[in-house]
Amino acid sequence: DTGVSQDPRHKITKRGQNVTFRCDPISEHNRLYWYRQTLGQGPEFLTYFQNEAQLEKSRLLSDRFSAERPKGSFSTLEIQRTEQGDSAMYLCASSWGLLAGGEETQYFGPGTRLLVL
Amino acid sequence: AQSVAQPEDQVNVAEGNPLTVKCTYSVSGNPYLFWYVQYPNRGLQFLLKYITGDNLVKGSYGFEAEFNKSQTSFHLKKPSALVSDSALYFCAVRVTARYNNNDMRFGAGTRLTVKP
Repeated sequence: DTGVSQDPRHKITKRGQNVTFRCDPISEHNRLYWYRQTLGQGPEFLTYFQNEAQLEKSRLLSDRFSAERPKGSFSTLEIQRTEQGDSAMYLCASSWGLLAGGEETQYFGPGTRLLVL
Repeated sequence: AQSVAQPEDQVNVAEGNPLTVKCTYSVSGNPYLFWYVQYPNRGLQFLLKYITGDNLVKGSYGFEAEFNKSQTSFHLKKPSALVSDSALYFCAVRVTARYNNNDMRFGAGTRLTVKP
């Protein structure tokens, strides 16, 4: 399967714990995106990378959220000191885009479902 | 700011009948419009997109959508619905992206149920 993969698919944690999610994009894609999806809502953009550069992070939900893409390939999303309100599906997407793009298609992974008890 | 509205939470149609899932958008520039479908416990699957040119866009699984600039709409359509089309459908919009502004705004979704 050459699609976007995410690990783990499910995560249950206790409030206050840190969690980290991994995303492996489609191999030739230079852009990688993180979204959060809560029940009954569409995905909400969090951050995105062009290669290893994080070009937009102002939409991260709080300073407890951080993301990395150290070598321009896989990415990790970390949530520190989790709260019950962080319970959601976290989606990763990737695309191939040029600097002045925006029309390219984003391909989504299956998501990581987080439950904070 | 750009936004998308899907005015119907749920659409019910009988198998074999035509279906329409509605989407309207609000942007300050030229929009790029997308439709995605989500099946239970799975990520979003791309169906089709409008970038420029012909207002009628054809996509996967027999779906099509019509871009209407005057009505700021991008409704998803299919001539003959299948039970297997039952899923959650999302409309999304992006304005021409600057280098450091590349977010896509999604609607809240419309649940399509096709009954045999």
